[in-house]
Amino acid sequence: DSGVTQTPKHLITATGQRVTLRCSPRSGDLSVYWYQQSLDQGLQFLIQYYNGEERAKGNILERFSAQQFPDLHSELNLSSLELGDSALYFCASSVEDGGSSGNTIYFGEGSWLTVV
Amino acid sequence: GESVGLHLPTLSVQEGDNSIINCAYSNSASDYFIWYKQESGKGPQFIIDIRSNMDKRQGQRVTVLLNKTVKHLSLQIAATQPGDSAVYFCAERSSGYSTLTFGKGTMLLVSP
Repeated sequence: DSGVTQTPKHLITATGQRVTLRCSPRSGDLSVYWYQQSLDQGLQFLIQYYNGEERAKGNILERFSAQQFPDLHSELNLSSLELGDSALYFCASSVEDGGSSGNTIYFGEGSWLTVV
Repeated sequence: GESVGLHLPTLSVQEGDNSIINCAYSNSASDYFIWYKQESGKGPQFIIDIRSNMDKRQGQRVTVLLNKTVKHLSLQIAATQPGDSAVYFCAERSSGYSTLTFGKGTMLLVSP
């Protein structure tokens, strides 16, 4: 158990809908990362927050957004869902913002999203 | 853009053998490398990491080797066990950045 908690574990929704994925980082971790894993794209970095502020942005679509709350939990919002958004979405956390080696990033178990 | 990649998509070994999983990276600014293990239906699990100022690091049954000259990273698993069967990812992080770039992954299959 990495200590990173994600909910829901599984989610099935229809195209055009909106969903919210939730993440609680490890105790003491200030950074939260979101990754998308699909069969054809592997693990793709979406976005990172550090202590409530957006820190880095990757291949995140405009239909997707995220935020980190004062209690450090984070939510990833996916809207106008398309079939191609079906994937495993991982949250990860680390103590620091980065910029220094050794800041281990721990992953949660993921949220399986199926868009039908 | 620059990326991290793996040479072999699938590696099949017998229980008890030593396994070697390879990874090539192209970003010369990378200063930190990590190996993750992902079992079916689970999240990536941290195995071992290495900084760019090192060329070898050992853990329990695992060793990571880094050759910066040819931008190559390898994970050696000693006395491979069926429980080691999983997909293994290498990931790199550029100096000054916190995000990880992952390779495509190698499936390790261990036969009893």
